Amino acid sequence: DAGVIQSPRHEVTEMGQEVTLRCKPISGHDYLFWYRQTMMRGLELLIYFNNNVPIDDSGMPEDRFSAKMPNASFSTLKIQPSEPRDSAVYFCATSGGGYQGEQYFGPGTRLTVT
Amino acid sequence: AQKITQTQPGMFVQEKEAVTLDCTYDTSDPSYGLFWYKQPSSGEMIFLIYQGSYDQQNATEGRYSLNFQKARKSANLVISASQLGDSAMYFCAMRDGAGNMLTFGGGTRLMVKP
Repeated sequence: DAGVIQSPRHEVTEMGQEVTLRCKPISGHDYLFWYRQTMMRGLELLIYFNNNVPIDDSGMPEDRFSAKMPNASFSTLKIQPSEPRDSAVYFCATSGGGYQGEQYFGPGTRLTVT
Repeated sequence: AQKITQTQPGMFVQEKEAVTLDCTYDTSDPSYGLFWYKQPSSGEMIFLIYQGSYDQQNATEGRYSLNFQKARKSANLVISASQLGDSAMYFCAMRDGAGNMLTFGGGTRLMVKP
């Protein structure tokens, strides 16, 4: 079975540009999570969806960040405009819920904003 | 308030020996779940093991076991017979209550010496 798929794997962009990160969840998983990982702040949850509906976006740093899940097989995280402090690895993770509810992570997108 | 604490930023272990990675947590909810993830240098996050707060026995998965001490609020990961491929960052995480969000600790870097 295919795991969580993220694209692009690497993104280098200039400050002020729009960046769109993409995620395809594991088929049948109802929960989708976006995380950001930096050396300074570790792993932070940005937002999560259940059945395509955003449930908690309290971790989204500011209005420049937005996330959508138009259907069960696709989600995007958009940063507009991007800033150098947004440089990080962004992970998408999905879960089937249930008793354990373990999350399976995608390979991540390494974003560098210059 | 930090919910998950990993006090060992880095550790060395000799190949074939056992090693314990510490994790303490804080929650007032009687129902919670504890997870360990491995992040090798390639960057992906790999789910290792899960322990539920009501589970009667300590979780085990192959060479991984979880030393769960509920009264002390600790959930230490034990890796037996360390291998060179175990060199990685290890993250402890908690899901509390009926929620689906994970809170991660700061991680421990494990280095296995040949």
